[in-house]
Amino acid sequence: DAGVIQSPRHEVTEMGQEVTLRCKPISGHDYLFWYRQTMMRGLELLIYFNNNVPIDDSGMPEDRFSAKMPNASFSTLKIQPSEPRDSAVYFCASTSDVTARGDNEQFFGPGTRLTVL
Amino acid sequence: GDSVTQMEGPVTLSEEAFLTINCTYTATGYPSLFWYVQYPGEGLQLLLKATKADDKGSNKGFEATYRKETTSFHLEKGSVQVSDSAVYFCALRSLRDYKLSFGAGTTVTVRA
Repeated sequence: DAGVIQSPRHEVTEMGQEVTLRCKPISGHDYLFWYRQTMMRGLELLIYFNNNVPIDDSGMPEDRFSAKMPNASFSTLKIQPSEPRDSAVYFCASTSDVTARGDNEQFFGPGTRLTVL
Repeated sequence: GDSVTQMEGPVTLSEEAFLTINCTYTATGYPSLFWYVQYPGEGLQLLLKATKADDKGSNKGFEATYRKETTSFHLEKGSVQVSDSAVYFCALRSLRDYKLSFGAGTTVTVRA
């Protein structure tokens, strides 16, 4: 299995531009998570999906951020317009609901390093 | 709400030294506890986990025991190697939902 795939790996853009980050979860996984990692705030959960439906988006910082999951094998995180404070590493992770106990492992992608100038 | 507090770094050690990273948590009920490791330029990988009190998770020479009485899940390794240099994250998952709450991460550097 190729694992969680994210693209692009690096993105440099100018303030005000639209940015789209992409994620392909592991086949068969029905949960998908988007995280943001910064030095100041550490690792934050932005939003997660179950069976392509957004379950909790309370971590999305503001309306400039939006996420979609049109099908089980693809998700996007969009920032429009982007700002310098959005510079961070964005991770996608997926897991499957194999047990009810909650000890299912989340598998992380390699991340997208976003720099907004 | 649920939260995790872990020892701040950075931690610098010599090869074959003993490593311990403290982690304590606040949660309702009995969460599952995890240690994730992040190598430079990569995403997080699960290192070990424990799902109930007194469980011991272990992997690659690392160990952590779920201590309910002290709400702790400290990570230990008896003899570190240069290849253990990474950032280590303690995390919990409550049974109410599928969200992971992460600690701030501890950067460990092992010198030859």
